[in-house]
Amino acid sequence: DSGVTQTPKHLITATGQRVTLRCSPRSGDLSVYWYQQSLDQGLQFLIQYYNGEERAKGNILERFSAQQFPDLHSELNLSSLELGDSALYFCASSEGGQEADGYTFGSGTRLTVV
Amino acid sequence: GQSLEQPSEVTAVEGAIVQINCTYQTSGFYGLSWYQQHDGGAPTFLSYNALDGLEETGRFSSFLSRSDSYGYLLLQELQMKDSASYFCAVPRNQAGTALIFGKGTTLSVSS
Repeated sequence: DSGVTQTPKHLITATGQRVTLRCSPRSGDLSVYWYQQSLDQGLQFLIQYYNGEERAKGNILERFSAQQFPDLHSELNLSSLELGDSALYFCASSEGGQEADGYTFGSGTRLTVV
Repeated sequence: GQSLEQPSEVTAVEGAIVQINCTYQTSGFYGLSWYQQHDGGAPTFLSYNALDGLEETGRFSSFLSRSDSYGYLLLQELQMKDSASYFCAVPRNQAGTALIFGKGTTLSVSS
């Protein structure tokens, strides 16, 4: 157990639907990052939060949104789902965004859009 | 923006040594990280280099040359369990910002 908890582990939904992915960071970590990993693709950065505030946006579609709550857990909302949104979605956390200590990743949510 | 290049696949046999290269283009340099990911699993942090030279952690070592914008991950005494994807990563635009990952190198270790 890495200390980063992601739920659900698997999600199957239909095109056009909306889903919410949840992430609880490792205890003490203030930064949360969301990444998307499609088949044969690397890890695509979506969005970063630090202590409740949005810190940076990457390749996140307008149909996607996220937030970090006061207890530091984060949710990634995906709406108007398309087949191409099928992917592994990872959440990672770090104490303060320091690369030297590395990120701790959750086990991911595998989203399948049918 | 930042970009990273690494080979897509590397193969080796048990007990061998393998080197996975990574070249990067960045507007500023704030360190090079390496992560390991087994098929379908979570990426795990392996190493971080901020200064030139070799950092050793057990069977794995990581090297950085800032003047060449180049680094590599060296895996020694390969074991079957080392079969995985390996990613190099750099911060998006400055220290403390989200990491950008290369597309990954798939290492296959055979007996």
